[in-house]
Amino acid sequence: GAVVSQHPSRVICKSGTSVKIECRSLDFQATTMFWYRQFPKQSLMLMATSNEGSKATYEQGVEKDKFLINHASLTLSTLTVTSAHPEDSSFYICSARAGGHETQYFGPGTRLLVL
Amino acid sequence: QQQVKQSPQSLIVQKGGISIINCAYENTAFDYFPWYQQFPGKGPALLIAIRPDVSEKKEGRFTISFNKSAKQFSLHIMDSQPGDSATYFCAASTLNNAGNMLTFGGGTRLMVKP
Repeated sequence: GAVVSQHPSRVICKSGTSVKIECRSLDFQATTMFWYRQFPKQSLMLMATSNEGSKATYEQGVEKDKFLINHASLTLSTLTVTSAHPEDSSFYICSARAGGHETQYFGPGTRLLVL
Repeated sequence: QQQVKQSPQSLIVQKGGISIINCAYENTAFDYFPWYQQFPGKGPALLIAIRPDVSEKKEGRFTISFNKSAKQFSLHIMDSQPGDSATYFCAASTLNNAGNMLTFGGGTRLMVKP
């Protein structure tokens, strides 16, 4: 299957700082990338969908000014959590899909802990 | 509104047994139904997926059964092994130009006892 990587795998930061998470499709061109958040023992909640070269589409209740998403190339999308607070602590997972294909391939996730 | 309902929330099966996880959906526009397996601290990995034009799909020990009229689909894991212990998510989406957003079920934590 296709490979999606995320970096960093885990990050600890102080409240009020910004954190950037990278998502890369390693062996295919991802026309669409998705960002999810997952709290312990819960399902994945879609935060936003981004198409290469376009602005991201955010799900209801997700603050676009707090969770900045950039999908500047067909292999890279970034999620920046701005002015992070303890309630932003979660497991952030990206997925990627090639154009014309139905399968979403998920990254390994990034554990964010805001102190 | 939860569009994909998954049951049970947790499941304990003896090694060699059959694990069965069920999902029901409401949106009749859904036309792609994948199952994902997730180990603790890892991202979900695609196990198997089905389109509504078939009633069953089998890949190795994993089988999806699909009932379009009942709007239900299920995952069967034959000869369950301790290594299958993980959380399983069903999902559904509509394959269109809108991006193929997945709607996930709540997840089932499977434990296979040796």
